[in-house]
Amino acid sequence: AQKVTQAQTEISVVEKEDVTLDCVYETRDTTYYLFWYKQPPSGELVFLIRRNSFDEQNEISGRYSWNFQKSTSSFNFTITASQVVDSAVYFCALSQYGGSQGNLIFGKGTKLSVKP
Amino acid sequence: DAGVIQSPRHEVTEMGQEVTLRCKPISGHDYLFWYRQTMMRGLELLIYFNNNVPIDDSGMPEDRFSAKMPNASFSTLKIQPSEPRDSAVYFCASSPARGPGQPQHFGDGTRLSIL
Repeated sequence: AQKVTQAQTEISVVEKEDVTLDCVYETRDTTYYLFWYKQPPSGELVFLIRRNSFDEQNEISGRYSWNFQKSTSSFNFTITASQVVDSAVYFCALSQYGGSQGNLIFGKGTKLSVKP
Repeated sequence: DAGVIQSPRHEVTEMGQEVTLRCKPISGHDYLFWYRQTMMRGLELLIYFNNNVPIDDSGMPEDRFSAKMPNASFSTLKIQPSEPRDSAVYFCASSPARGPGQPQHFGDGTRLSIL
């Protein structure tokens, strides 16, 4: 069975703190993709990053960085020097390669609140 | 470039009424997805289409739900008759061809309230 677990339901930090959002996944596939999406208070879902199962390189984009570790089935997301505008619900998602191609399986999300 | 366009943004209707949600995918995208988001169940895939053909509708909750894609630029999700438990945010998303590694681009969602 495929599953994505985001154990942190809510996180609250003060502006400029670093924060890491955890994501653990389960899959039997050897080829798969992992995604992070952001849902700000306005409600839309915004694509942030995609990673395939063969690429374990970490990625940095400005204040955002992602740590993919196949050995622990984790794909964690770190925001450095958080800002109030980072307040949102963040979803981790898994997509399998075969079978029901394109089906995204989402975690329950982590609500991040950044206080000024 | 225009993103995925959903209408209406908000819908409030009484139990038993027919509800139709609409979606225009990004031009050139071959895959279209309908999701439902609730507090209890999170984001769930209802159905998806490839080149206008329904591929997997196993997430459609019951026969009251139906979805169509008459052409590459338009899809509808219909609920008839609606019930209060259908209240949720419904998202449409699209992605280009070439497989599941392509990110899905979401519309702004339709917030549906059934009274």
